[in-house]
Amino acid sequence: AQTVTQSQPEMSVQEAETVTLSCTYDTSENNYYLFWYKQPPSRQMILVIRQEAYKQQNATENRFSVNFQKAAKSFSLKISDSQLGDTAMYFCAFVTLWGAQKLVFGQGTRLTINP
Amino acid sequence: GAVVSQHPSWVICKSGTSVKIECRSLDFQATTMFWYRQFPKQSLMLMATSNEGSKATYEQGVEKDKFLINHASLTLSTLTVTSAHPEDSSFYICSARVGGIMNTEAFFGQGTRLTVV
Repeated sequence: AQTVTQSQPEMSVQEAETVTLSCTYDTSENNYYLFWYKQPPSRQMILVIRQEAYKQQNATENRFSVNFQKAAKSFSLKISDSQLGDTAMYFCAFVTLWGAQKLVFGQGTRLTINP
Repeated sequence: GAVVSQHPSWVICKSGTSVKIECRSLDFQATTMFWYRQFPKQSLMLMATSNEGSKATYEQGVEKDKFLINHASLTLSTLTVTSAHPEDSSFYICSARVGGIMNTEAFFGQGTRLTVV
């Protein structure tokens, strides 16, 4: 069974700072996708960034980038120049390419950006 | 991205009654839909996976007779909470996926807050 672990329940940084959220996962599969989702106070789940396991290059979306270490099964999210609107719960998630393709979520990290 | 609409956004019902929550994919056909439950300050817990035209697959510990799921078309799945009790109060979220090994992104509805009084 696949598991996803986020070891930081809460984090807090000042506006404009850079913050890194950690995520590790466990799987015996070789082909999978990893995601970071953001859940703001509205509770709408928003996809932040996606990484295909077969790609060595780390994904980047504007201020958001990941550090994907496949051998270590690590998938951290870096937010640069943090903004007040980045305040949210962040969930790391994993899905295999085969089978039921169920998203497996981590426990979440509550990120607060302070003015 | 694709749009998934969930209705209602919130509902209050009396204990013992049933409540139906709808999940619609507005601009794509969803071969698979997922239903989650989220307790305050916790992660999303998968309840069941529904595929169009077939019975839903429930996760271990989820009562299939209490949480009825119907995926009657490629754009609509419903979750009915039967004989609701206060402990069923929670935030329910659906997600939908196009399907296929390369279409792994899931699109989420806005969620439904259920309060049973």
